[in-house]
Amino acid sequence: RKEVEQDPGPFNVPEGATVAFNCTYSNSASQSFFWYRQDCRKEPKLLMSVYSSGNEDGRFTAQLNRASQYISLLIRDSKLSDSATYLCVVRDYGGSQGNLIFGKGTKLSVKP
Amino acid sequence: DVKVTQSSRYLVKRTGEKVFLECVQDMDHENMFWYRQDPGLGLRLIYFSYDVKMKEKGDIPEGYSVSREKKERFSLILESASTNQTSMYLCASSSTGLKGEKLFFGSGTQLSVL
Repeated sequence: RKEVEQDPGPFNVPEGATVAFNCTYSNSASQSFFWYRQDCRKEPKLLMSVYSSGNEDGRFTAQLNRASQYISLLIRDSKLSDSATYLCVVRDYGGSQGNLIFGKGTKLSVKP
Repeated sequence: DVKVTQSSRYLVKRTGEKVFLECVQDMDHENMFWYRQDPGLGLRLIYFSYDVKMKEKGDIPEGYSVSREKKERFSLILESASTNQTSMYLCASSSTGLKGEKLFFGSGTQLSVL
């Protein structure tokens, strides 16, 4: 079974801290990678796509390591509003929209 | 902005009832999906559709069926609801091709089967 594994957390960090999450995937042929954010009792929303060269969006940096089959999300200068569950999502080879595999999520709690 | 609307936020049904969950999107997306989300299990794909009248089974289709008669509407049907179908149901849509990398989710329906 193709898997996407995440540490469920929770990660409890103070405001201003830097925190990093990793996600591993089992299928070396996976093509596309994403981080989604899900607030408590809300729907998931795309945070960012993850490109081979790595990408940055403000305080958020995503990186892909194909050799080791993991992706990472780094959050700098954490805000209270960053508290959420972060879902790692992988699209398998073939590109069918039905081949999106969701990790179970990593919970982040940012404290004052 | 894309809007995916699910007909009910909370629903309570009895075992054996036929249940319809409706989902409508307003951005002319080709692809639509039904997921369920359970604590400790994450999101699991039930069915998806990439065109009108087309459907594909996801990872857990047993006990469910779907209908896509119009492009904007994707319905999930529980023919005979059971207690193990108590869950949060999330509908999503996306466009085809490179622009289809982003899934847009509805706000979910929390279904309780008693």
